[in-house]
Amino acid sequence: EPEVTQTPSHQVTQMGQEVILRCVPISNHLYFYWYRQILGQKVEFLVSFYNNEISEKSEIFDDQFSVERPDGSNFTLKIRSTKLEDSAMYFCASRPGAKNIQYFGAGTRLSVL
Amino acid sequence: SQKIEQNSEALNIQEGKTATLTCNYTNYSPAYLQWYRQDPGRGPVFLLLIRENEKEKRKERLKVTFDTTLKQSLFHITASQPADSATYLCALDETGDYKLSFGAGTTVTVRA
Repeated sequence: EPEVTQTPSHQVTQMGQEVILRCVPISNHLYFYWYRQILGQKVEFLVSFYNNEISEKSEIFDDQFSVERPDGSNFTLKIRSTKLEDSAMYFCASRPGAKNIQYFGAGTRLSVL
Repeated sequence: SQKIEQNSEALNIQEGKTATLTCNYTNYSPAYLQWYRQDPGRGPVFLLLIRENEKEKRKERLKVTFDTTLKQSLFHITASQPADSATYLCALDETGDYKLSFGAGTTVTVRA
């Protein structure tokens, strides 16, 4: 069964460094999302992406965050200058055009030291 | 924005019993509501979607109800098994643009 793939599974970085989290959505899906989950807290929406542009973003998704679909398969989340509070699990999700169901990847655990 | 509340953080039940989880929301009723399962260190996995005009939806041993008057959804796991042990998340699409808002989840532990 097709699945959303995220790499790396765990990323450790120093505060102030840039990180790029990578996702390969399910082929032929049209809508892409990033969510995050701080340890012990709710899954929170960050951003949605469609037709090569951001559809919607949350208050969390400030100027330090950006997303890109550099080619036909990858979808990336970049954090320019990481803060301690960015430490969380980051989940990528994709959705086919016709259905309301989002398919989530296994996540990348980001640890900012 | 919506406040989504799921009953008790943890639910411990005996194998074979039915687990019932509650999801309450505060504002306008969404067009549909979803339930996901999340295992430790993994992403949410879609289980069921129920629309506002549907009272009940079933999938194998799972059953979901949706009461827009009470602003509540109930999620039932019947004939529970230890493999059902996980955290179950309620999710709403607040604005109709597929941006999901999740509840905090209820962790179910099924004892053999």
